[in-house]
Amino acid sequence: EAGVTQSPTHLIKTRGQQATLRCSPISGHTSVYWYQQALGLGLQFLLWYDEGEERNRGNFPPRFSGRQFPNYSSELNVNALELEDSALYLCASSLIVVLAGGYTFGSGTRLTVV
Amino acid sequence: QQQVKQSPQSLIVQKGGISIINCAYENTAFDYFPWYQQFPGKGPALLIAIRPDVSEKKEGRFTISFNKSAKQFSLHIMDSQPGDSATYFCAASRETSGSRLTFGEGTQLTVNP
Repeated sequence: EAGVTQSPTHLIKTRGQQATLRCSPISGHTSVYWYQQALGLGLQFLLWYDEGEERNRGNFPPRFSGRQFPNYSSELNVNALELEDSALYLCASSLIVVLAGGYTFGSGTRLTVV
Repeated sequence: QQQVKQSPQSLIVQKGGISIINCAYENTAFDYFPWYQQFPGKGPALLIAIRPDVSEKKEGRFTISFNKSAKQFSLHIMDSQPGDSATYFCAASRETSGSRLTFGEGTQLTVNP
């Protein structure tokens, strides 16, 4: 069974540009979560999507947005990039009710803003 | 009330020793407490998890101890090995409804040969 896949693995953007990150969940998982892992700051919750709807949002500005497609894959968009947006962006998937396995994370997209 | 505080920030242990990482939470509604292990360049991977109806859970060399009254839980790694060198994150959530995980700040564990 394929795990959570994220693309691209690395992304370099210029300040002010837009970045689009993609995530494919494990087959059968309907929930997708996005986390930001900045150096030394742990994992900060960004967004949660389930069944195509945004269910919860972390304490991030509106320029962080996303969507979930009918096949449950998801896209994270970051507009007007700032230098401090440089981080590892992790996607995780789960069943709507996390009974035993918890989240399964992908390997992340390393975003560098220059 | 959503915070999970983790300590220590970094830990160095000799091979064969016991590694202990502690976490404390504030939100009494949390009912699912997983630990994740992350190697460089990889996403976190679920290591072991516990629910508040038990005080201890053991899987191989990894044990979670849970103290509901103190709102604390800890990870013990017995017979630590160099291959255990990684960053460990505790987390907490309300298990129902697929609620988001709140993570601790992480502990960088180094096991010296």
